[in-house]
Amino acid sequence: DADVTQTPRNRITKTGKRIMLECSQTKGHDRMYWYRQDPGLGLRLIYYSFDVKDINKGEISDGYSVSRQAQAKFSLSLESAIPNQTALYFCATSESRTGNTGELFFGEGSRLTVL
Amino acid sequence: GESVGLHLPTLSVQEGDNSIINCAYSNSASDYFIWYKQESGKGPQFIIDIRSNMDKRQGQRVTVLLNKTVKHLSLQIAATQPGDSAVYFCAENKGSSYKLIFGSGTRLLVRP
Repeated sequence: DADVTQTPRNRITKTGKRIMLECSQTKGHDRMYWYRQDPGLGLRLIYYSFDVKDINKGEISDGYSVSRQAQAKFSLSLESAIPNQTALYFCATSESRTGNTGELFFGEGSRLTVL
Repeated sequence: GESVGLHLPTLSVQEGDNSIINCAYSNSASDYFIWYKQESGKGPQFIIDIRSNMDKRQGQRVTVLLNKTVKHLSLQIAATQPGDSAVYFCAENKGSSYKLIFGSGTRLLVRP
């Protein structure tokens, strides 16, 4: 079983709909992240959380919100989806440590298409 | 502005040859660098990292070289195998920053 599990793996929705992408992890890591991947742009950070009570915006947080329900669960919501949010979304985790972020452990991705 | 870029979007190599994937970065304050491998349909997977107080680090079949003078990072894969076919990303991190800045990726194709 995967250490970082994302659901759904694929979703097609319409403009204006609310969408939630869920992430759960069994690695016991405190830090969790949501990234977005677009062709030719690499991975961009949407939100991150260093523990259950800590939520921070990344570089492209507009149009997204997150909830850290437990140490193991971090969900990403699109309150009103728009076509330019069509992308591949990745959840990731890392250990707590001072200094650099260090190694990220990624889920297998959730492909979202907004029509 | 700050950027992490790659010289070649696609690299094609013969099986058994060595591969070199390059990455340029512009933030001279970055002090930690990571290479990730992403296979089709999967999430990125950590390969190797290097801190700015080093200029070379070796793993199993992989070597990362860091040239701070010209702000250049490379990943060398020895005896490239079909299973090495993937997209490779470099990423940089500055000091205690939470944020990894990812490059746009290089696709490595291994010819049989």
